[in-house]
Amino acid sequence: AQKVTQAQTEISVVEKEDVTLDCVYETRDTTYYLFWYKQPPSGELVFLIRRNSFDEQNEISGRYSWNFQKSTSSFNFTITASQVVDSAVYFCALSSDNYGQNFVFGPGTRLSVLP
Amino acid sequence: NAGVTQTPKFRVLKTGQSMTLLCAQDMNHEYMYWYRQDPGMGLRLIHYSVGEGTTAKGEVPDGYNVSRLKKQNFLLGLESAAPSQTSVYFCATQGGIGNQPQHFGDGTRLSIL
Repeated sequence: AQKVTQAQTEISVVEKEDVTLDCVYETRDTTYYLFWYKQPPSGELVFLIRRNSFDEQNEISGRYSWNFQKSTSSFNFTITASQVVDSAVYFCALSSDNYGQNFVFGPGTRLSVLP
Repeated sequence: NAGVTQTPKFRVLKTGQSMTLLCAQDMNHEYMYWYRQDPGMGLRLIHYSVGEGTTAKGEVPDGYNVSRLKKQNFLLGLESAAPSQTSVYFCATQGGIGNQPQHFGDGTRLSIL
């Protein structure tokens, strides 16, 4: 079975602080894909990033960075110099070829960035 | 969310009533999904479709039915609504299996009284 755990239910930070959102996954497949989505207060789900299991390079996009470590089955998301607009619920998700086209989502982490 | 449109956006039903949620996409994606989102539980898959005329059960299919008569539309039906089905429903599409991201509609907030 596949599983995604986001142990942090809620996080509050003050603007300009750095924050890391944790994601731990479980899968028996050797080829799999990891995703992060953002759900702002307006409610829509926005795709942020995809990572393939065979590519462990970390990725940076502006203030966002992702740390993928197969050894610990983690795909953590860091926001540098957080801003109020980063306030949202963030979901980590997992899919794999052997699991067909289904995604497994974590429960989400609610991030509040205070001014 | 350009490309995936959900109708309606809000609805209040009484227990026992029926209704259909519509998801329409113009992305020409083969795969379509219906999820429900409840507090603290993330998104849970209700039903999905891998192409026109096909449907399959997801994690929480009980109480729901779906149809995919046309590639661009995926309908979610509640035959006899129950308070436990109060939730936010999201439709998603996907262009290919595994490594493709899913693209979501804006959601439908459904309350069952």
